[in-house]
Amino acid sequence: RKEVEQDPGPFNVPEGATVAFNCTYSNSASQSFFWYRQDCRKEPKLLMSVYSSGNEDGRFTAQLNRASQYISLLIRDSKLSDSATYLCVVNTNAGKSTFGDGTTLTVKP
Amino acid sequence: EAQVTQNPRYLITVTGKKLTVTCSQNMNHEYMSWYRQDPGLGLRQIYYSMNVEVTDKGDVPEGYKVSRKEKRNFPLILESPSPNQTSLYFCASSNTGELFFGEGSRLTVL
Repeated sequence: RKEVEQDPGPFNVPEGATVAFNCTYSNSASQSFFWYRQDCRKEPKLLMSVYSSGNEDGRFTAQLNRASQYISLLIRDSKLSDSATYLCVVNTNAGKSTFGDGTTLTVKP
Repeated sequence: EAQVTQNPRYLITVTGKKLTVTCSQNMNHEYMSWYRQDPGLGLRQIYYSMNVEVTDKGDVPEGYKVSRKEKRNFPLILESPSPNQTSLYFCASSNTGELFFGEGSRLTVL
């Protein structure tokens, strides 16, 4: 079993749709959590950090459930420009970072 | 401009010919790390460094070496490359947990 598992996707949604991605992690020593976005084999870029209390940035909402070892990302009102691969990342305090395999989102007109 | 710079960006080489991929950051970050990305396998951590002269193995360190003699540089060394090291490599640095990535180095070993 992988340390970080994401929804396999791909997700194909129409513009304006709401889409949710899930990610589970197995290392209980995990301390920090992030969602990254990666476009077409370019470098990943931070989308948002994930906090225990949940956090929102415009159309994006991230949530963390430490008890269930589960992270989610919700995208509301999808835009064409949201088409990308979304990576869940889990870090330990010791510096180890583990990426999920990514979920590909395609937003269609 | 704050950035992580990797070189070379593209390289085709042959089995056994030693190569080094350089990584340099200008953000005074203490943490640096190397990843490889392969289709269907996502990004996997090769080595990381919490600070100068401190390096640790990630998930897939076999066949790679690193050094961290200066804060800004974290080269990845392939002493004897093999075809299974053909991959897309990313270097990243961080101070607060957010990783800043280089543009990637696409390596092909024939």
